[in-house]
Amino acid sequence: NAGVTQTPKFRILKIGQSMTLQCTQDMNHNYMYWYRQDPGMGLKLIYYSVGAGITDKGEVPNGYNVSRSTTEDFPLRLELAAPSQTSVYFCASSSPKGQGPGTEAFFGQGTRLTVV
Amino acid sequence: DAKTTQPPSMDCAEGRAANLPCNHSTISGNEYVYWYRQIHSQGPQYIIHGLKNNETNEMASLIITEDRKSSTLILPHATLRDTAVYYCIVRADWGAGSYQLTFGKGTKLSVIP
Repeated sequence: NAGVTQTPKFRILKIGQSMTLQCTQDMNHNYMYWYRQDPGMGLKLIYYSVGAGITDKGEVPNGYNVSRSTTEDFPLRLELAAPSQTSVYFCASSSPKGQGPGTEAFFGQGTRLTVV
Repeated sequence: DAKTTQPPSMDCAEGRAANLPCNHSTISGNEYVYWYRQIHSQGPQYIIHGLKNNETNEMASLIITEDRKSSTLILPHATLRDTAVYYCIVRADWGAGSYQLTFGKGTKLSVIP
C-alpha cells in the first residue's frame, strides 16, 4: 500500500494564480483531511470529509475549496493565490471507529507551496 | 478540545529513556490523549493514545495521571531517529470536534549521540 500520496511535492505560484493540490489514499478510508502548517507552528485543519460527497469546513477554510467525488481522492483547490497561503499542506486519512473518525490518522508527505 | 501545554524543547542522550511531559488540566471525561510526532517536516506520525489507563505499544509508553490532568510519553531507548517534534493532543473519539487534531507547537526532542 502506498498510503496517502500528495502531488506535487513543491510548487511556486504567482499571486492570483490558481492550482489544485492532489491527495489520494489506497486504504479505503472514509475520512480525509487537509491541514496547513506555517513555519514553526502546528497544523491547522482546512477542510475534512467523512465520505464521498460530504465535506465540511475546518478551522481555516477561507481561500480554499474541496471536493470528494470518490473515496480515494480529496483534492484541495486554491483560487486566487495570496502570499498568506504560503505554507506546507498535509493531507491525511483515517478509518472510522464507532461513531467517530478512528484513532489513527495517516498523513501524506506534504506539498510545499510558495506564493510570490 | 482541551488545550495542552508542552515544553518547547528537550534533550536526551542516545540509549536513555526520553520522558516527554504534557499538561491538559481542562481535559473532559470523554477526551483521549493522543501523541503524534513529526520528523524533519515530514507528515505527522501517530504514536499512541489513551483514556485513563497506561498504554504501551512497540513505539512508546503513555502514562496518564489518575486525575488525567497530565501525561508523559516515554520512549524507552531513544535513538537518533527519534529526534522530532512531539505533539500531545486531546480529542474526543466522536461528536463535534472529534474530526480535528489540534496541533500546538509541540516539544522539539533532540537525541544527542
